[in-house]
Amino acid sequence: GAVVSQHPSRVICKSGTSVKIECRSLDFQATTMFWYRQFPKKSLMLMATSNEGSKATYEQGVEKDKFLINHASLTLSTLTVTSAHPEDSSFYICSAHTGRWPDTQYFGPGTRLTVL
Amino acid sequence: DAKTTQPPSMDCAEGRAANLPCNHSTISGNEYVYWYRQIHSQGPQYIIHGLKNNETNEMASLIITEDRKSSTLILPHATLRDTAVYYCIAANTNTGNQFYFGTGTSLTVIP
Repeated sequence: GAVVSQHPSRVICKSGTSVKIECRSLDFQATTMFWYRQFPKKSLMLMATSNEGSKATYEQGVEKDKFLINHASLTLSTLTVTSAHPEDSSFYICSAHTGRWPDTQYFGPGTRLTVL
Repeated sequence: DAKTTQPPSMDCAEGRAANLPCNHSTISGNEYVYWYRQIHSQGPQYIIHGLKNNETNEMASLIITEDRKSSTLILPHATLRDTAVYYCIAANTNTGNQFYFGTGTSLTVIP
């Protein structure tokens, strides 16, 4: 199956700093990648849709200036949490759309962000 | 918004079939039904998906009702490693393929 990686797997930062999370499709090219956030004991919430070479589309209620998304290549998308605060602490998960059979999303292992 | 509803939790005896239902009564004609599962603190794992016909792969079977308003994921011989949260999602691959997750079903396989 298709493999998606994320880096780092876990990050702890101080309030007010920015954190970058990378999402890579390792064995396929992904024209579309997605970013999700998941709070403890809750379901995944879609944050944004990222298309290679164009601006990301953010879901309602997600601040685009706070969660910067860059999709510069067909295998890499990055999410930068700017001026992070404790309420941004969460599990961030990316996925990549294969665009070929089985034409579905494959998810990364997630990044646990803790803001002190 | 999520377009599917699932029971919040289910138990299944090890070695028995696990049947997980999903209601998607407002599904549109070009939306597929996807099933994923998530083991604690990991990313969701793809299981299976289908449009109209029943589907089977090495992991599971997917039974979709004729009116497409509901479906059932079948794990034929559940093992302890199948304990996870199972998500059913209705999505259209032709319009961005955004996934809106519902609350899922927490399946516990009991020894």
